[in-house]
Amino acid sequence: DGGITQSPKYLFRKEGQNVTLSCEQNLNHDAMYWYRQDPGQGLRLIYYSQIVNDFQKGDIAEGYSVSREKKESFPLTVTSAQKNPTAFYLCATRPGTGRYEQYFGPGTRLTVT
Amino acid sequence: QKEVEQDPGPLSVPEGAIVSLNCTYSNSAFQYFMWYRQYSRKGPELLMYTYSSGNKEDGRFTAQVDKSSKYISLFIRDSQPSDSATYLCAMSPRRQGGSEKLVFGKGTKLTVNP
Repeated sequence: DGGITQSPKYLFRKEGQNVTLSCEQNLNHDAMYWYRQDPGQGLRLIYYSQIVNDFQKGDIAEGYSVSREKKESFPLTVTSAQKNPTAFYLCATRPGTGRYEQYFGPGTRLTVT
Repeated sequence: QKEVEQDPGPLSVPEGAIVSLNCTYSNSAFQYFMWYRQYSRKGPELLMYTYSSGNKEDGRFTAQVDKSSKYISLFIRDSQPSDSATYLCAMSPRRQGGSEKLVFGKGTKLTVNP
Protein backbone atom coordinates (compact mmCIF):
# COMPACT_ATOMS: atom_id res chain seq x y z
CA ASP A 1 0.00 0.00 0.00
CA GLY A 2 1.82 3.11 -1.24
CA GLY A 3 1.68 6.35 0.57
CA ILE A 4 3.05 8.90 2.97
CA THR A 5 2.91 8.28 6.69
CA GLN A 6 3.36 10.86 9.42
CA SER A 7 3.55 9.92 13.02
CA PRO A 8 2.27 10.56 15.53
CA LYS A 9 -1.07 12.13 14.58
CA TYR A 10 -1.11 14.23 17.76
CA LEU A 11 1.93 15.26 19.78
CA PHE A 12 2.12 17.17 23.04
CA ARG A 13 5.31 18.68 24.45
CA LYS A 14 6.39 21.04 27.16
CA GLU A 15 8.00 24.32 26.22
CA GLY A 16 11.78 24.06 25.99
CA GLN A 17 11.83 20.49 24.67
CA ASN A 18 12.94 19.49 21.20
CA VAL A 19 10.57 17.18 19.33
CA THR A 20 10.99 15.17 16.11
CA LEU A 21 8.17 14.58 13.67
CA SER A 22 8.38 11.56 11.41
CA CYS A 23 7.66 11.45 7.66
CA GLU A 24 8.08 8.24 5.65
CA GLN A 25 7.14 7.52 2.04
CA ASN A 26 7.16 4.41 -0.13
CA LEU A 27 6.21 6.16 -3.37
CA ASN A 28 9.84 6.31 -4.54
CA HIS A 29 9.45 10.07 -4.90
CA ASP A 30 12.64 12.11 -5.09
CA ALA A 31 11.68 15.32 -3.32
CA MET A 32 10.19 15.83 0.13
CA TYR A 33 8.82 18.93 1.81
CA TRP A 34 7.74 20.13 5.25
CA TYR A 35 5.00 22.71 5.67
CA ARG A 36 3.40 24.35 8.63
CA GLN A 37 -0.29 25.29 8.57
CA ASP A 38 -1.85 27.80 10.95
CA PRO A 39 -5.44 29.10 10.84
CA GLY A 40 -5.74 31.96 8.36
CA GLN A 41 -2.08 31.68 7.28
CA GLY A 42 -2.17 29.02 4.62
CA LEU A 43 0.72 26.62 4.02
CA ARG A 44 4.21 27.87 4.79
CA LEU A 45 7.30 26.00 3.60
CA ILE A 46 9.81 25.07 6.32
CA TYR A 47 12.40 22.87 4.55
CA TYR A 48 12.64 20.78 1.43
CA SER A 49 14.95 18.15 0.01
CA GLN A 50 15.41 17.16 -3.62
CA ILE A 51 17.87 14.30 -3.07
CA VAL A 52 19.37 12.28 -0.23
CA ASN A 53 21.85 14.15 1.96
CA ASP A 54 20.76 17.53 0.59
CA PHE A 55 18.12 19.97 1.80
CA GLN A 56 17.29 23.67 1.56
CA LYS A 57 15.62 26.17 3.85
CA GLY A 58 12.14 27.29 3.03
CA ASP A 59 10.43 30.51 4.05
CA ILE A 60 10.27 29.84 7.81
CA ALA A 61 13.23 27.57 8.66
CA GLU A 62 14.27 29.30 11.88
CA GLY A 63 13.88 27.00 14.88
CA TYR A 64 13.61 23.85 12.76
CA SER A 65 16.10 21.26 11.50
CA VAL A 66 15.86 18.30 9.12
CA SER A 67 17.89 15.40 7.80
CA ARG A 68 17.60 13.26 4.67
CA GLU A 69 19.73 10.16 5.19
CA LYS A 70 17.39 7.89 3.23
CA LYS A 71 15.18 8.55 0.24
CA GLU A 72 12.17 7.29 2.15
CA SER A 73 12.54 9.43 5.26
CA PHE A 74 12.61 13.16 6.02
CA PRO A 75 12.24 13.83 9.77
CA LEU A 76 11.64 17.33 11.09
CA THR A 77 12.93 18.47 14.48
CA VAL A 78 11.17 21.37 16.13
CA THR A 79 13.70 22.91 18.49
CA SER A 80 13.20 25.00 21.59
CA ALA A 81 14.31 28.01 19.51
CA GLN A 82 11.02 27.95 17.56
CA LYS A 83 8.93 30.64 19.23
CA ASN A 84 5.45 29.45 18.27
CA PRO A 85 5.70 25.71 17.58
CA THR A 86 2.04 24.82 18.09
CA ALA A 87 0.69 24.12 14.60
CA PHE A 88 -0.41 21.47 12.11
CA TYR A 89 2.66 20.07 10.31
CA LEU A 90 2.38 18.54 6.86
CA CYS A 91 4.90 16.48 4.94
CA ALA A 92 4.68 16.27 1.14
CA THR A 93 6.49 14.49 -1.67
CA ARG A 94 7.03 15.23 -5.36
CA PRO A 95 7.81 12.50 -7.91
CA GLY A 96 10.91 14.02 -9.52
CA THR A 97 12.35 16.47 -12.01
CA GLY A 98 9.77 17.82 -14.43
CA ARG A 99 6.88 16.90 -12.14
CA TYR A 100 5.38 19.77 -10.18
CA GLU A 101 2.52 18.25 -8.22
CA GLN A 102 2.97 17.41 -4.56
CA TYR A 103 1.30 14.71 -2.50
CA PHE A 104 0.62 15.25 1.17
CA GLY A 105 0.69 13.07 4.24
CA PRO A 106 -2.07 13.09 6.87
CA GLY A 107 -0.29 15.64 9.11
CA THR A 108 0.83 15.87 12.72
CA ARG A 109 -0.83 18.25 15.15
CA LEU A 110 1.83 19.53 17.58
CA THR A 111 0.78 21.27 20.77
CA VAL A 112 3.42 22.87 22.98
CA THR A 113 2.43 24.18 26.41
CA GLN B 1 0.69 42.34 -4.16
CA LYS B 2 0.65 38.69 -3.13
CA GLU B 3 1.68 36.14 -5.75
CA VAL B 4 -1.54 34.16 -5.33
CA GLU B 5 -4.86 35.53 -4.07
CA GLN B 6 -7.75 33.32 -3.02
CA ASP B 7 -10.96 34.44 -1.35
CA PRO B 8 -11.11 32.64 2.02
CA GLY B 9 -14.90 32.57 2.06
CA PRO B 10 -16.61 30.93 3.79
CA LEU B 11 -18.83 29.86 0.92
CA SER B 12 -22.11 28.13 1.70
CA VAL B 13 -24.29 26.56 -1.02
CA PRO B 14 -27.27 24.17 -1.16
CA GLU B 15 -26.78 20.60 -2.27
CA GLY B 16 -26.87 20.28 -6.06
CA ALA B 17 -25.56 23.79 -6.72
CA ILE B 18 -22.71 24.57 -9.09
CA VAL B 19 -19.75 25.88 -7.14
CA SER B 20 -17.12 28.20 -8.57
CA LEU B 21 -13.81 28.61 -6.72
CA ASN B 22 -11.20 31.03 -7.99
CA CYS B 23 -7.62 32.20 -7.64
CA THR B 24 -5.79 35.09 -9.21
CA TYR B 25 -2.04 35.36 -9.54
CA SER B 26 0.53 37.96 -10.45
CA ASN B 27 3.50 35.91 -11.72
CA SER B 28 3.14 35.40 -15.48
CA ALA B 29 5.76 32.61 -15.32
CA PHE B 30 3.31 30.22 -13.60
CA GLN B 31 2.56 27.33 -15.94
CA TYR B 32 1.46 24.45 -13.70
CA PHE B 33 -1.75 24.75 -11.73
CA MET B 34 -3.23 22.51 -9.08
CA TRP B 35 -6.31 22.31 -6.90
CA TYR B 36 -6.24 20.53 -3.57
CA ARG B 37 -9.12 19.56 -1.29
CA GLN B 38 -8.49 19.52 2.45
CA TYR B 39 -10.93 18.09 4.94
CA SER B 40 -10.72 19.33 8.51
CA ARG B 41 -7.60 18.03 10.32
CA LYS B 42 -6.44 16.06 7.28
CA GLY B 43 -3.70 16.53 4.72
CA PRO B 44 -4.55 18.19 1.37
CA GLU B 45 -5.53 15.83 -1.44
CA LEU B 46 -4.61 16.59 -5.05
CA LEU B 47 -7.83 17.03 -7.06
CA MET B 48 -6.82 18.52 -10.38
CA TYR B 49 -3.52 19.25 -12.14
CA THR B 50 -3.39 21.34 -15.29
CA TYR B 51 -0.69 22.77 -17.51
CA SER B 52 -1.02 26.13 -19.22
CA SER B 53 -4.38 27.47 -20.42
CA GLY B 54 -7.61 25.62 -21.06
CA ASN B 55 -10.06 23.32 -19.34
CA LYS B 56 -9.69 19.92 -17.75
CA GLU B 57 -12.62 17.84 -16.60
CA ASP B 58 -12.73 14.95 -14.13
CA GLY B 59 -16.17 13.75 -13.16
CA ARG B 60 -18.02 16.58 -11.42
CA PHE B 61 -14.90 18.76 -11.31
CA THR B 62 -13.64 21.12 -14.02
CA ALA B 63 -10.43 23.11 -13.74
CA GLN B 64 -10.07 26.18 -15.93
CA VAL B 65 -6.96 28.27 -16.54
CA ASP B 66 -6.96 31.69 -18.20
CA LYS B 67 -3.34 32.77 -18.44
CA SER B 68 -4.17 36.03 -20.20
CA SER B 69 -6.18 37.12 -17.16
CA LYS B 70 -3.96 35.30 -14.65
CA TYR B 71 -7.04 33.58 -13.28
CA ILE B 72 -7.82 29.95 -12.47
CA SER B 73 -11.10 28.37 -11.47
CA LEU B 74 -12.42 25.11 -10.12
CA PHE B 75 -16.06 24.27 -10.87
CA ILE B 76 -17.95 21.62 -8.94
CA ARG B 77 -21.19 20.41 -10.53
CA ASP B 78 -24.02 18.81 -8.56
CA SER B 79 -22.28 19.64 -5.28
CA GLN B 80 -22.66 17.18 -2.41
CA PRO B 81 -22.32 17.56 1.37
CA SER B 82 -19.18 15.42 1.07
CA ASP B 83 -17.62 18.26 -0.98
CA SER B 84 -17.59 20.41 2.17
CA ALA B 85 -13.91 21.15 2.71
CA THR B 86 -11.27 23.81 2.20
CA TYR B 87 -10.03 24.11 -1.38
CA LEU B 88 -6.47 25.28 -2.03
CA CYS B 89 -5.07 26.43 -5.32
CA ALA B 90 -1.35 25.99 -6.03
CA MET B 91 0.91 26.89 -8.91
CA SER B 92 4.49 26.76 -10.12
CA PRO B 93 6.62 28.12 -12.93
CA ARG B 94 8.61 25.73 -15.09
CA ARG B 95 12.04 25.11 -13.61
CA GLN B 96 14.97 23.39 -15.28
CA GLY B 97 16.58 21.11 -12.73
CA GLY B 98 16.06 23.68 -10.05
CA SER B 99 13.89 23.66 -7.00
CA GLU B 100 10.29 22.94 -7.82
CA LYS B 101 8.31 24.70 -5.15
CA LEU B 102 4.61 25.43 -5.15
CA VAL B 103 2.97 28.74 -4.29
CA PHE B 104 -0.32 28.16 -2.51
CA GLY B 105 -3.43 30.23 -2.05
CA LYS B 106 -4.73 30.41 1.50
CA GLY B 107 -7.78 28.30 0.71
CA THR B 108 -11.53 28.77 0.40
CA LYS B 109 -13.76 27.04 2.93
CA LEU B 110 -16.82 25.50 1.27
CA THR B 111 -19.93 24.13 2.99
CA VAL B 112 -22.58 22.26 0.99
CA ASN B 113 -25.85 22.12 2.91
CA PRO B 114 -28.18 19.10 2.50
